[in-house]
Amino acid sequence: DAGVIQSPRHEVTEMGQEVTLRCKPISGHDYLFWYRQTMMRGLELLIYFNNNVPIDDSGMPEDRFSAKMPNASFSTLKIQPSEPRDSAVYFCASSRQLYEQYFGPGTRLTVT
Amino acid sequence: AQSVTQPDIHITVSEGASLELRCNYSYGATPYLFWYVQSPGQGLQLLLKYFSGDTLVQGIKGFEAEFKRSQSSFNLRKPSVHWSDAAEYFCAVGDYSSASKIIFGSGTRLSIRP
Repeated sequence: DAGVIQSPRHEVTEMGQEVTLRCKPISGHDYLFWYRQTMMRGLELLIYFNNNVPIDDSGMPEDRFSAKMPNASFSTLKIQPSEPRDSAVYFCASSRQLYEQYFGPGTRLTVT
Repeated sequence: AQSVTQPDIHITVSEGASLELRCNYSYGATPYLFWYVQSPGQGLQLLLKYFSGDTLVQGIKGFEAEFKRSQSSFNLRKPSVHWSDAAEYFCAVGDYSSASKIIFGSGTRLSIRP
């Protein structure tokens, strides 16, 4: 199994630009989670999906953030427009129901 | 609401010494508990999990954890640490009332003294 795949691994962009982060969960997992990790706030859950349907997006910081899961093997997290305070490492994780989550390697986002 | 507390932000131990990382949780029912490790620049890796049964659980890399309901604790232990164990360790509790969401603690950074 390839594990959770995230792309890109690193992204550097200028303030105001659109950023799209991508995630491919482990095959057969029906839950997908997006997290953000910063030194100040630690690991934060942004949103999670069950069977491609968003279940809880209460962690999404503001309307600039959006996430989609068009099918069971792909999800995106979009930030538009990006701001310097969005700089963080963004993790995607997947799981089967009631089982542990498997994390991807993360995308390190830097907004200048 | 469920919560996880890791009271130690940073711990330093000597190589070869024993290790115990503390974790306390708040949860109304029998919790599902996890320990994850994050090496610098890496994602989180599952060390071990407790769902039910034997309260002493064994994990990867020689780690173990003990679930103590009376103390609401799930401390992580290792009898002899190696320099490669230097990392950030996260305790987490499964919030299965809202279907598979995990609540993470704030993490404990482990440094190893040569």
